[in-house]
Amino acid sequence: RKEVEQDPGPFNVPEGATVAFNCTYSNSASQSFFWYRQDCRKEPKLLMSVYSSGNEDGRFTAQLNRASQYISLLIRDSKLSDSATYLCVVNTNAGKSTFGDGTTLTVKP
Amino acid sequence: GAGVSQSPRYKVAKRGQDVALRCDPISGHVSLFWYQQALGQGPEFLTYFQNEAQLDKSGLPSDRFFAERPEGSVSTLKIQRTQQEDSAVYLCASSRGSGTGYEKLFFGSGTQLSVL
Repeated sequence: RKEVEQDPGPFNVPEGATVAFNCTYSNSASQSFFWYRQDCRKEPKLLMSVYSSGNEDGRFTAQLNRASQYISLLIRDSKLSDSATYLCVVNTNAGKSTFGDGTTLTVKP
Repeated sequence: GAGVSQSPRYKVAKRGQDVALRCDPISGHVSLFWYQQALGQGPEFLTYFQNEAQLDKSGLPSDRFFAERPEGSVSTLKIQRTQQEDSAVYLCASSRGSGTGYEKLFFGSGTQLSVL
């Protein structure tokens, strides 16, 4: 079993839709959490950090449930430019970042 | 430099050949990480440096893989006697601080290695 698990998708949604991605992690000592975005044949780039209280950045909302070891990302009013793979990332205090295999989103006109 | 730079961008090697992949992190970044990404999968951790010290090499898949960062800036990942299963994109990332895990990683564009 992988340390960080995500539903691979693909998620195919129309423009304007709301879509949610889930991620679970197995290491209860994990301390920090992130969502990265990776476009096809490009490097991963930080989308947002995930805080225990939940946090929002424009159309994106991230939530963390430490008890269930579960992280989510909600995208509202999807745009064509949101099409990408979304990677869930979990860090221990030793600095090592563990990535999930990603969830692929395609937003269609 | 403005970002993390990796070279070469593409490398084709014959099975059994040795390869060296270079990473030039953002100037002043203390931490440097190497990841391996196979097609359709997320990046897998290989190794981590804080300045010139290699603090974690638990992800290196075999003793054919070796990484160094002798002066605490540029790093080289060397793969000896390459095998077909080594074919992947090798990503380098750097972060400003000492790798506490709370920091943003800045990735290079990667080196796509194909072993024939």
